[in-house]
Amino acid sequence: GAVVSQHPSRVICKSGTSVKIECRSLDFQATTMFWYRQFPKKSLMLMATSNEGSKATYEQGVEKDKFLINHASLTLSTLTVTSAHPEDSSFYICSASPPRGGTGDEQFFGPGTRLTVL
Amino acid sequence: GENVEQHPSTLSVQEGDSAVIKCTYSDSASNYFPWYKQELGKGPQLIIDIRSNVGEKKDQRIAVTLNKTAKHFSLHITETQPEDSAVYFCAVNTGNQFYFGTGTSLTVIP
Repeated sequence: GAVVSQHPSRVICKSGTSVKIECRSLDFQATTMFWYRQFPKKSLMLMATSNEGSKATYEQGVEKDKFLINHASLTLSTLTVTSAHPEDSSFYICSASPPRGGTGDEQFFGPGTRLTVL
Repeated sequence: GENVEQHPSTLSVQEGDSAVIKCTYSDSASNYFPWYKQELGKGPQLIIDIRSNVGEKKDQRIAVTLNKTAKHFSLHITETQPEDSAVYFCAVNTGNQFYFGTGTSLTVIP
């Protein structure tokens, strides 16, 4: 159980274009999903927290107009990198938390999406 | 906010030996402490976790110990195997937000 998928696993795009990354919880409903960014040989940096049906909460320094997050259902959250530039190239990872009532505070991670902006 | 420190940043052990990674945290309200294993190009995978009401938890070759008074917890891997080579991250759950350690690159030498 507790499987999270991400699509695509790898994407290369031209500067100025937008890229959408999907995060799905496959066998549980995720009240909360998280989006992280990871630079090579570095730890995970939380970008935003999204709750189903409400606006995402962005961490300080993360541009909400550039990184659009939609959590339209209990099993799907999307991250859209708008007008991507080479400095947006990174490894983007999502995670999902099951609703409280079970253990409630675990996070299960997706396999990540490697974004390369040319 | 929470401050999580992880040591060592790199660790090399001979196959069959034990590996220990330690994390310290600052917020005494933290209540959930997971460890993740991340292989190159993949997402973190939960390998073991511990909650604040328990001092030790073991799962086959992997164990985690928690000292709430001293605010530190450790990952112990016994009888290491080459496939244990990866980057390991600790995390601390405080106020429903995760704070990650800086990672430990473990290399198991055959």
